[in-house]
Amino acid sequence: GAVVSQHPSRVICKSGTSVKIECRSLDFQATTMFWYRQFPKQSLMLMATSNEGSKATYEQGVEKDKFLINHASLTLSTLTVTSAHPEDSSFYICSAGGRPSYNEQFFGPGTRLTVL
Amino acid sequence: GQNIDQPTEMTATEGAIVQINCTYQTSGFNGLFWYQQHAGEAPTFLSYNVLDGLEEKGRFSSFLSRSKGYSYLLLKELQMKDSASYLCAVPYGGSQGNLIFGKGTKLSVKP
Repeated sequence: GAVVSQHPSRVICKSGTSVKIECRSLDFQATTMFWYRQFPKQSLMLMATSNEGSKATYEQGVEKDKFLINHASLTLSTLTVTSAHPEDSSFYICSAGGRPSYNEQFFGPGTRLTVL
Repeated sequence: GQNIDQPTEMTATEGAIVQINCTYQTSGFNGLFWYQQHAGEAPTFLSYNVLDGLEEKGRFSSFLSRSKGYSYLLLKELQMKDSASYLCAVPYGGSQGNLIFGKGTKLSVKP
């Protein structure tokens, strides 16, 4: 299957700082990438859909000014958590789709964010 | 709207068979996914059903009934490494990309 990487895998930051998470599709072109957030013992919640070359589509209740998404190329999407607060501590997972013949999304390994 | 229900937890014995059920309500239907997620890791794809019936893939099989809004994941010859959360997910909004996930069923396999 296709490989999706995320960087960093873990990050600890102070409250008020910004954190950037990268999601890369390594062996295919991803026209669409998805960003999810997962709190402990909860399911994945879709935050936004990132389309290459256009603005991201955010789910209801997700602040677009706080969670900045950029999908500048077919292999890279970034999520920036601005002015992070402890309640933003979570597991952030990206996934990539883009091949019309496939129905599955390929998930990155996730990024564990801890805001102190 | 969209809604997905799964049991929260299940326990089974190594070597046994377990069935994890999922019921869903969606406006429109574009298939149903099952994912496996070990603690602290990203989900991995198990199956995708878009037509009624059973699809078998090794020790794992997935069943779908569109008329009943029902699916199940069947795990045979359980192994300790199968202890994980199993997530049922459906696309919404007419797109195969945007997925709504159920809360997941945490399966514990005991010796």
